[in-house]
Amino acid sequence: DAGVTQSPTHLIKTRGQQVTLRCSPKSGHDTVSWYQQALGQGPQFIFQYYEEEERQRGNFPDRFSGHQFPNYSSELNVNALLLGDSALYLCASSWGRLYAGGYEQYFGPGTRLTVT
Amino acid sequence: QKEVEQNSGPLSVPEGAIASLNCTYSDRGSQSFFWYRQYSGKSPELIMSIYSNGDKEDGRFTAQLNKASQYVSLLIRDSQPSDSATYLCAVTEGTYKYIFGTGTRLKVLA
Repeated sequence: DAGVTQSPTHLIKTRGQQVTLRCSPKSGHDTVSWYQQALGQGPQFIFQYYEEEERQRGNFPDRFSGHQFPNYSSELNVNALLLGDSALYLCASSWGRLYAGGYEQYFGPGTRLTVT
Repeated sequence: QKEVEQNSGPLSVPEGAIASLNCTYSDRGSQSFFWYRQYSGKSPELIMSIYSNGDKEDGRFTAQLNKASQYVSLLIRDSQPSDSATYLCAVTEGTYKYIFGTGTRLKVLA
């Protein structure tokens, strides 16, 4: 059973550049959520994609955008990178319909982004 | 701004003891509650989900939920050094958005 995969593992970018991170959900899942985790903090919700649409969004600026493809994989794009964007970016997949009372999310290994 | 509060720790317990991790949340409308374990440098791993008041047991783990008190806890019985990690509490805001606490660092002493 393939778990959630993310690429790349690590990335170093310069301020002002743009970055694209990729995620493939766990087999059988159709929903992808993206999170940002700064050092020593809990993950912060960026947005969730379901049926190729952004279903819900957290408190992140428009520099953060995403996309979901027909095969349920997803991309996170960040424009005009700031030093403060340095963090671990996590993708989590789930089944898009209510199951057993909730939507259990399973995380991928993450992409470590460093902005210099 | 909805909040999830956890004691950052570290919580130190001897091997074989019960570790008790606590979490409070501010949104009375929250319906789903989750505990994740995160080892240093790794991504969070789902341990337990709980949706109804009361206890839910899975192996050495027991999650407890009290919606009236807006309180959720995780008990780890027979704690092992391999349980040493940061434990994250997550609570839903609305239907799909997870709000995470900052985590409690657990150290199990051999």
